[in-house]
This record gives sequence, structure tokens and C-alpha cells, in this order.
Amino acid sequence: DTGVSQDPRHKITKRGQNVTFRCDPISEHNRLYWYRQTLGQGPEFLTYFQNEAQLEKSRLLSDRFSAERPKGSFSTLEIQRTEQGDSAMYLCASSPTGGGEKLFFGSGTQLSVL
Amino acid sequence: QQQVKQSPQSLIVQKGGISIINCAYENTAFDYFPWYQQFPGKGPALLIAIRPDVSEKKEGRFTISFNKSAKQFSLHIMDSQPGDSATYFCAASKPTGRRALTFGSGTRLQVQP
Repeated sequence: DTGVSQDPRHKITKRGQNVTFRCDPISEHNRLYWYRQTLGQGPEFLTYFQNEAQLEKSRLLSDRFSAERPKGSFSTLEIQRTEQGDSAMYLCASSPTGGGEKLFFGSGTQLSVL
Repeated sequence: QQQVKQSPQSLIVQKGGISIINCAYENTAFDYFPWYQQFPGKGPALLIAIRPDVSEKKEGRFTISFNKSAKQFSLHIMDSQPGDSATYFCAASKPTGRRALTFGSGTRLQVQP
């Protein structure tokens, strides 16, 4: 159990560019979540996967955001045409089916849009 | 709509003192109430959690007190230590398939030596 891994840890981009983040959950964890956390606030739910199926998306996830989890393993979160308001920490979490209440979070990807 | 309200925003406690953080929720469908601890540059980590069928749960120096009728719950940190200095988030989830957490806005705790 190496924990939830996220890459990159930091990303600086210019407004209008596309960015992609990767999350590797704990192996055999079926559930995967993406959250966004802005400075001084708690994490906000973005989207949820059960294996490879994306079962729910928050209204926070605009059309510029897309998430995938091919083969039910790692997941990617892509933001197209980034805006300054997208600057935040993007957190990934996973949990096992049957023990799904406890979420294991990664250390996040800090995105800065200039 | 802020479904989980947390207070205070920041807290300074002397070493050995008791730290108390409070949360109130609105949605009676919530049935799981965890507290997460977050250090700078790290993701949140589960500290302790409670269900509404009990009024208190204790794990080491950490205790959750739960008041179902008032829709409030609190975290007590006994014998607070400088290593406890972190941001604490209360959260809640509903018994739906996804079990996504709704977080409070956080309390920044500083324990002075």
C-alpha cells in the first residue's frame, strides 16, 4: 500500500492552455474521487468513478473539465482553456468498495494559472 | 448552500490544553461524520469518524461529540501538542452509492509550546 499518488505536484500554466493531471489510486480501490480545494476552504467534490464508470459529476465540473479512468485503474483530469479561477489544489481520493466511507487522499496537484 | 458549517476559523491553544472545534449540518440525510487533518502540502487524512447512533467516540486524545437533535458535532483534542498544529476539517456524507464527502471550511489550529 503505497498510498494515492498524484502527478505533477505543481503545475504553472498560462491562461488558455490545457493541463492534465494524473492520479494513481491505492491498488484494488474501486472508487475514485476528484476534489478541488481553494485556499482557506475545504475540498469540494468534482466527480466520482466506480471502476471505469464515471457515475457522478458536480455542477462545479464545467464543460472545460473532463475526467477519465480507463480500465478502472489510474485516472486523469483535464482542464481545457484554463482560466485564472481554475487555480486551486486538485485532490484525488480512493476507497475500496465495501469500505467506501473512508477516503484516502493523495497530496494533490497545485495548479496556478497565470 | 453551505451544508456543513465549521467554527472557529482559527484556534490558538497552549501545549497541554484542550482544542475544541465545532460543526453544524443541515441535511438530516447525512449519516457519517468524519474529521480530517491536513498538514501544509498534504492531502487530508482521516482522524476519527462517528455515526449518529452514538453520542461520543474516543480514539486516543481525539474525541467526537455528536448531538443529533441539534445537528451538531465537535472534535475535542485533549493534551494538545505542537505536532497537532494543522488544519482540521469536519465532513459529512449521505448513504448514497458514491459516499462523497461534504466538507466544512476548516479550522487552522496552532498549538503553542
